[in-house]
Amino acid sequence: QQPVQSPQAVILREGEDAVINCSSSKALYSVHWYRQKHGEAPVFLMILLKGGEQKGHEKISASFNEKKQQSSLYLTASQLSYSGTYFCGTEIVSGYALNFGKGTSLLVTP
Amino acid sequence: DAGVIQSPRHEVTEMGQEVTLRCKPISGHNSLFWYRQTMMRGLELLIYFNNNVPIDDSGMPEDRFSAKMPNASFSTLKIQPSEPRDSAVYFCASGTSGRHNEQFFGPGTRLTVL
Repeated sequence: QQPVQSPQAVILREGEDAVINCSSSKALYSVHWYRQKHGEAPVFLMILLKGGEQKGHEKISASFNEKKQQSSLYLTASQLSYSGTYFCGTEIVSGYALNFGKGTSLLVTP
Repeated sequence: DAGVIQSPRHEVTEMGQEVTLRCKPISGHNSLFWYRQTMMRGLELLIYFNNNVPIDDSGMPEDRFSAKMPNASFSTLKIQPSEPRDSAVYFCASGTSGRHNEQFFGPGTRLTVL
């Protein structure tokens, strides 16, 4: 049930764009995205619900393809503060626990 | 507003000892989650409570692990006896079950079992 994230790691220069993908073999109710900096707890970024509703971060966008059970997180004009590990968490039933992917490590360099 | 509070932040113990991790969720939240994070396995759900009732404990590794939520403001995760392979960061998260089920994570407890 664990979603699959790709790529495993990305290195960017400041200002460049990145896309992180998350796919599931199960039908999903929602996809959540979190960012974790080294030594810290994961922090909520965004949720995408079945039906197209979204709630989240100002400068980060995401999409959810319900037919393919895939989500993509778009990081545009990356900043140094974007560095960290990004996790997607998938929810099969509303209000249930999340299954997290193994994470994508993102490093933004000056 | 205080976030999710976990204690202790670090715990070093010897194999065979009992370990108790504590969590205070955000006031008003009715869902509570215990996760374990390791490099090898990533972020794994151990157990999930809703309105203080355990809903899914299928992630609890074995009988050595137990979790309780005696009231809406407190939960414990106990490991007895502890083993070196239990070494990990244990996160507690809370949220409000419903349409936007975002979870707020505590700072975690780094457990080292020698």
